[in-house]
Amino acid sequence: TQLLEQSPQFLSIQEGENLTVYCNSSSVFSSLQWYRQEPGEGPVLLVTVVTGGEVKKLKRLTFQFGDARKDSSLHITAAQPGDTGLYLCAGDTSLQETSGSRLTFGEGTQLTVNP
Amino acid sequence: DAGVTQSPTHLIKTRGQHVTLRCSPISGHKSVSWYQQVLGQGPQFIFQYYEKEERGRGNFPDRFSARQFPNYSSELNVNALLLGDSALYLCASSTGTSVEQYFGPGTRLTVT
Repeated sequence: TQLLEQSPQFLSIQEGENLTVYCNSSSVFSSLQWYRQEPGEGPVLLVTVVTGGEVKKLKRLTFQFGDARKDSSLHITAAQPGDTGLYLCAGDTSLQETSGSRLTFGEGTQLTVNP
Repeated sequence: DAGVTQSPTHLIKTRGQHVTLRCSPISGHKSVSWYQQVLGQGPQFIFQYYEKEERGRGNFPDRFSARQFPNYSSELNVNALLLGDSALYLCASSTGTSVEQYFGPGTRLTVT
């Protein structure tokens, strides 16, 4: 069974602070996706990382895929109250070449940014 | 363009009853996946369908079943509901040839 462990589980910070969320596994994933979820809504895709060592930036968010493709991190610079939400990492274990992907999710990091 | 749509939004059922949840993928997407998200946890994979065929099944009992129609929409059926089936059921749409999955708003199922 492939497991993804996210840390920390909960994070409460003040507006303007920086933070990093970690996603670790003992398994290798062909790709890894980060999502943000609001209460009562579906997860919204933020980024997909595919290549080991890859770094992607989305405004104040920086995503990194580990060299061995077993871990990833999300760094937010100068957090804002609008960044509040549940951040989920999900590893892709594609079953077949032309069937898309099957995602294994971490349990999420609940981020609260206080004004 | 419309995103992934799911119906109903909320549903309350009694133990032992049956439920059918529906999902329409993004236009042009041929793969639909279903996930169960219990409060406080990440989503758990239930099924994946591509071109109307089941391509993957998660660790869920046979009470859970699904199908995909020629227009690529999908239904998730759950029989003999248990209290533990209370969760947010998410449908995800993908092209079938890329890794990105796009989620609908979910159906909140409450079993009493």
